[in-house]
Amino acid sequence: GIQVEQSPPDLILQEGANSTLRCNFSDSVNNLQWFHQNPWGQLINLFYIPSGTKQNGRLSATTVATERYSLLYISSSQTTDSGVYFCAVEWKGGSEKLVFGKGTKLTVNP
Amino acid sequence: GAVVSQHPSRVICKSGTSVKIECRSLDFQATTMFWYRQFPKQSLMLMATSNEGSKATYEQGVEKDKFLINHASLTLSTLTVTSAHPEDSSFYICSARDPGTSPNIQYFGAGTRLSVL
Repeated sequence: GIQVEQSPPDLILQEGANSTLRCNFSDSVNNLQWFHQNPWGQLINLFYIPSGTKQNGRLSATTVATERYSLLYISSSQTTDSGVYFCAVEWKGGSEKLVFGKGTKLTVNP
Repeated sequence: GAVVSQHPSRVICKSGTSVKIECRSLDFQATTMFWYRQFPKQSLMLMATSNEGSKATYEQGVEKDKFLINHASLTLSTLTVTSAHPEDSSFYICSARDPGTSPNIQYFGAGTRLSVL
């Protein structure tokens, strides 16, 4: 099956700092989604981005499908950005299933 | 975005009892829903794919008699944890594919935290 690796596993920032989270995957994908899991466990869709670049406020994401990686950029981080960020991919050989990476735990300190 | 409702959000039960968790797509019809399990500080692991009108497809290592899945309508899938034991305590999350998006985006419920005493 497909392997999904996220880095770094943990990240601690001061409020206002910028950060980049990375997601590498081992095979071709139909779909890639970035999620933020809040402290209560809710998964919030951030981006659906199988390729290209998208921006939403302070967040942006880029996926380079040919090189099998995606990046999530967080600018001017806020304490409310804290939580776990997951990358999940739908493998072309995997019949609609989403395979999750292990996540990046982000802590933004005031 | 689309809304997926999951109920209950939290359940505490005695060992040996059965617990039913509901997952509803509120503004789209979902022929396919998914059930995940998440242990503390770990990632989501797919348990099974729920297909409307047919049997669920379980991932390797997931006991289908232990985790009963019913997808009787295009907006509702249920997961029943039968004869629950403390090791079944976990966070269970459902998702639904929105067929109106291309390729289909998965939207997630808020999760159910199960504690078996």
